[in-house]
Amino acid sequence: EIVLTQSPATLSLSPGERATLSCRASQSVSGYLAWYQQKPGQAPRLLIYDASNRATGIPPRFSGSGSGTDFTLTISSLEPEDFAVYYCQQRSNWPSFGQGTKVEIK
Amino acid sequence: EVQLVESGGGLVQPGRSLRLSCTASGVTFGDFPMSWVRQAPGKGLEWVGFISSYAHGGTTEYAASVKGRVSISRDDSKSIAYLQVSSLKAEDTAVYYCTSDEEGSGYYMTWGQGTLVTVSS
Repeated sequence: EIVLTQSPATLSLSPGERATLSCRASQSVSGYLAWYQQKPGQAPRLLIYDASNRATGIPPRFSGSGSGTDFTLTISSLEPEDFAVYYCQQRSNWPSFGQGTKVEIK
Repeated sequence: EVQLVESGGGLVQPGRSLRLSCTASGVTFGDFPMSWVRQAPGKGLEWVGFISSYAHGGTTEYAASVKGRVSISRDDSKSIAYLQVSSLKAEDTAVYYCTSDEEGSGYYMTWGQGTLVTVSS
């Protein structure tokens, strides 16, 4: 089983600031990694797939990078609606998710 | 636009079984795999399992944590996917989401709203 470890657990930032979230895999997942956003009471929403491709309708302030075991989700300038929990997910092996990073308002 | 609606959740006693349904609309349901993901209260996401399309054999795979207690099936004529969970435990308490992978990519583009299963006596 591939374990995904996300850091930090919580990120406290202000609107307009840049957010950098990390996801590390216990073994290489090549580029087979996605990022999801989840707001309270809602289902997750796919943001990024295959490490760096934005899903349909996702604004360009969201970007992903990385390969192998280390991945990053960057939100270039936080909008009020971006404060949420973010999960990474790998599909290299049987699917697994990271434990999440909460982006909260400072 | 694909829409997924789960049903069948509720309060269940430990040891009992439960079948959840996921009804799809707006898509040719039989063309792609369906998966179930759960989320315990205040916790992260956990993949439960998936079923491929019948064109790919209708194969199923399950997470090790639930293998032997869960079964996923599909009725393409009704556009419904099912998740059967048996011998329910308190740790099965979660919101259960069905998800679709319309492009067969291994990622989850569309999610239902989720259905809450509470296992308690």
